[in-house]
Amino acid sequence: AQKITQTQPGMFVQEKEAVTLDCTYDTSDPSYGLFWYKQPSSGEMIFLIYQGSYDQQNATEGRYSLNFQKARKSANLVISASQLGDSAMYFCAMKSADGLTFGKGTHLIIQP
Amino acid sequence: GAVVSQHPSRVICKSGTSVKIECRSLDFQATTMFWYRQFPKQSLMLMATSNEGSKATYEQGVEKDKFLINHASLTLSTLTVTSAHPEDSSFYICSASAGPQAKNIQYFGAGTRLSVL
Repeated sequence: AQKITQTQPGMFVQEKEAVTLDCTYDTSDPSYGLFWYKQPSSGEMIFLIYQGSYDQQNATEGRYSLNFQKARKSANLVISASQLGDSAMYFCAMKSADGLTFGKGTHLIIQP
Repeated sequence: GAVVSQHPSRVICKSGTSVKIECRSLDFQATTMFWYRQFPKQSLMLMATSNEGSKATYEQGVEKDKFLINHASLTLSTLTVTSAHPEDSSFYICSASAGPQAKNIQYFGAGTRLSVL
């Protein structure tokens, strides 16, 4: 069985600072994908970034980057230069042969 | 980016009535669509997976006669909550995927908040 762990239930960060959201995973499947989604208070789930298990380089999408450390089974999301609009729930997820599994989420609050 | 439309966004209904929720992929063909349920302050719980033209695969503990899923085309899936009761009140959210060639990325609709009185 696969598992996703997000150890930070909530975080407060000052605007313009960088943020790292932790995510560790466990799977026996050698081929898997890692995803991060943002869920604002409106409820929609917004896809942010994807990392494949065989990708050699860390994924980046604008201000988002994924710090993929395969040996440690971690896939932390880094948000650079945080903005007030980044306040939301953030979910880490993993797709393997067992399907897509979500972590419990981290509630990020950006303070002015 | 890929757009998934979910309708309606909010439903309030009486106990015993049925509610239909639509999920459409607007700019891509979805080989697979997924239906999730989310309780307040919790993560998403997968209810079922549906492929176009075939029966949905339900997760353990999800009543297939209660939550009817129809995936009639590559761009449309519907979830019908039959004979809804107050305990069915929840946030339902769908997602669509174009499959492995699109990295299995799931794009989500905006969700439907169901309140059963």
